[in-house]
Amino acid sequence: EDKVVQSPLSLVVHEGDTVTLNCSYEVTNFRSLLWYKQEKKAPTFLFMLTSSGIEKKSGRLSSILDKKELFSILNITATQTGDSAIYLCAVDDGGSQGNLIFGKGTKLSVKP
Amino acid sequence: NAGVTQTPKFRILKIGQSMTLQCAQDMNHNYMYWYRQDPGMGLKLIYYSVGAGITDKGEVPNGYNVSRSTTEDFPLRLELAAPSQTSVYFCASSSGGLYGYTFGSGTRLTVV
Repeated sequence: EDKVVQSPLSLVVHEGDTVTLNCSYEVTNFRSLLWYKQEKKAPTFLFMLTSSGIEKKSGRLSSILDKKELFSILNITATQTGDSAIYLCAVDDGGSQGNLIFGKGTKLSVKP
Repeated sequence: NAGVTQTPKFRILKIGQSMTLQCAQDMNHNYMYWYRQDPGMGLKLIYYSVGAGITDKGEVPNGYNVSRSTTEDFPLRLELAAPSQTSVYFCASSSGGLYGYTFGSGTRLTVV
């Protein structure tokens, strides 16, 4: 059974800290891995990763994929209270329906 | 703004009542999805559609029905509401390429 596992499930840090969120996966046919940030409402897209070893960066956020070890990490440096959210990892299994398999998410709380 | 529009945002139903959650997108996406999100459980796929007239069950379809008469609209029907259907429901659409999903803002449903 295809699955995506995120760790930790929740994390509390202070402003200025650096955090690393983990996502491991087991899917039959991998096409891409995506990270989303979910605040109060809908998830918003952060990154899509398809190739191993190529870091994607956006401001203080960065992510990298390891297709050999079947995991990805999301790094956030110099965290701010606005980074508080649930971070979702999802894998596109390349099926004809274009479905994403989601992990349970990591709830990040950044304290002032 | 273009995107995915979900209505209503909030709803309280009594056990046994029926309702339809509306979802519309204006991006000409072929793929549309309904997910439910329970606390700490990530996103579970209810139904999906790969184009007008084509729908299929996802991971948790029991108690729900969908239709896709047009490319734009993908309503989700609850026929006999049960407390287990208390959740946040997200509609999403995708072009099917490597661009991830666009999510609607969600519907918070409570069944009492």
